[in-house]
Amino acid sequence: AQSVTQLDSQVPVFEEAPVELRCNYSSSVSVYLFWYVQYPNQGLQLLLKYLSGSTLVKGINGFEAEFNKSQTSFHLRKPSVHISDTAEYFCAVKGSNYKLTFGKGTLLTVNP
Amino acid sequence: DADVTQTPRNRITKTGKRIMLECSQTKGHDRMYWYRQDPGLGLRLIYYSFDVKDINKGEISDGYSVSRQAQAKFSLSLESAIPNQTALYFCATSDSGLAGVYEQYFGPGTRLTVT
Repeated sequence: AQSVTQLDSQVPVFEEAPVELRCNYSSSVSVYLFWYVQYPNQGLQLLLKYLSGSTLVKGINGFEAEFNKSQTSFHLRKPSVHISDTAEYFCAVKGSNYKLTFGKGTLLTVNP
Repeated sequence: DADVTQTPRNRITKTGKRIMLECSQTKGHDRMYWYRQDPGLGLRLIYYSFDVKDINKGEISDGYSVSRQAQAKFSLSLESAIPNQTALYFCATSDSGLAGVYEQYFGPGTRLTVT
């Protein structure tokens, strides 16, 4: 069975600081990994995805993530965050029968 | 106009009442999903449908039922609402391509409170 662990439930940072949101996964099948973002009072939207190829994946809004097979991780990073990046971030892995398994989320709060 | 719409956006209902949440999409996707979101628990899949005649239970289907009225419409019903069904409910859609199926497009959510 597939599972996702997001290691931090909340991450507070100051504006223009770098940030890393951590995600570990387990999967017994080929690995497809995703980060979704949920802005306040909105649904989720896809930030980036890893399907195959380069282990460094670039997404929208300056975010990137690195797939590390040996450490079963897919951490999300941004070198300099903005107030508008305040949101909840969800890591997800492809599950059985074309479903996604989501982590419990990390709330990123960017303070001025 | 939004690609995935949900109605109502907010609903307060009483224990024991039947309630229906509706989802419509204009993306032309075959696959539709219903999730619930609870604080600290992430998203959990209630039901999913790969086409009009293919409906499947997710990990937490007890107490819920669904209807796929058309390719573009997927409704979630609570036959007899109970307080622990208070949550934020999301509808999502995806393409049927091998990789595209995992890129899900979410509606804005319905906040349901059962008193």
